[in-house]
Amino acid sequence: EIVMTQSPATLSVSPGERATLSCRASQSVNSNLAWYQQKPGQAPRLLIYGASTRATGIPARFSGSGSGTEFTLTISSLQSEDFAVYYCQQYNNWPKTFGQGTKVEIK
Amino acid sequence: EVQLVESGGGLVQPGGSLRLSCAASGFTFSTYRMHWVRQAPGKGLVWVSRINSDGSSTSYADSVQGRFTISRDNAKNTLYLQMNSLRAEDTAVYYCVRDRQGDFDYWGQGTLVTVSS
Repeated sequence: EIVMTQSPATLSVSPGERATLSCRASQSVNSNLAWYQQKPGQAPRLLIYGASTRATGIPARFSGSGSGTEFTLTISSLQSEDFAVYYCQQYNNWPKTFGQGTKVEIK
Repeated sequence: EVQLVESGGGLVQPGGSLRLSCAASGFTFSTYRMHWVRQAPGKGLVWVSRINSDGSSTSYADSVQGRFTISRDNAKNTLYLQMNSLRAEDTAVYYCVRDRQGDFDYWGQGTLVTVSS
């Protein structure tokens, strides 16, 4: 099973600032990496797939990069609605596995 | 509009059974692979099970293998998860999820399963 490790566990950021979230896979997942956003009491929402392609309706301030084992989600200018937990997920191998999440909180 | 609506959650005693349902609408259900993903209270996301578009192939996480059964009725646009021999560690919100091309593009609102005596 591929282990996905996200860092940091918590990221404190001021509105308008840039946030950079990391995700590392225990072995190569090529570009088969997705990012999800989850707000309290809500289901996760797909943000990025294929490591760098924004899902439908996702604002351009969200961008993804990386391949192989190292991936990054960048939020260029944090808006109030972006404070949430973010998960990465690999879908290159079975079982599909998620990282433990990064909580982006207001500084 | 794509909608996935889960039902069937609730409180059940250890060793008991429960069947979750997920009603799909707004897309051609019979052409998509579907999954169940769960989230224990305050914890992260864990993939549970998947079924291919025509129901001929299934797979399970090791933690539920032999206890849970995923199925679907394409005529009713409904996904199911039969959960037997439930344990306290199965307590979670269970999400019905559509598989886009490996990633999960639509999620239901979730249904809470609590296993407790």
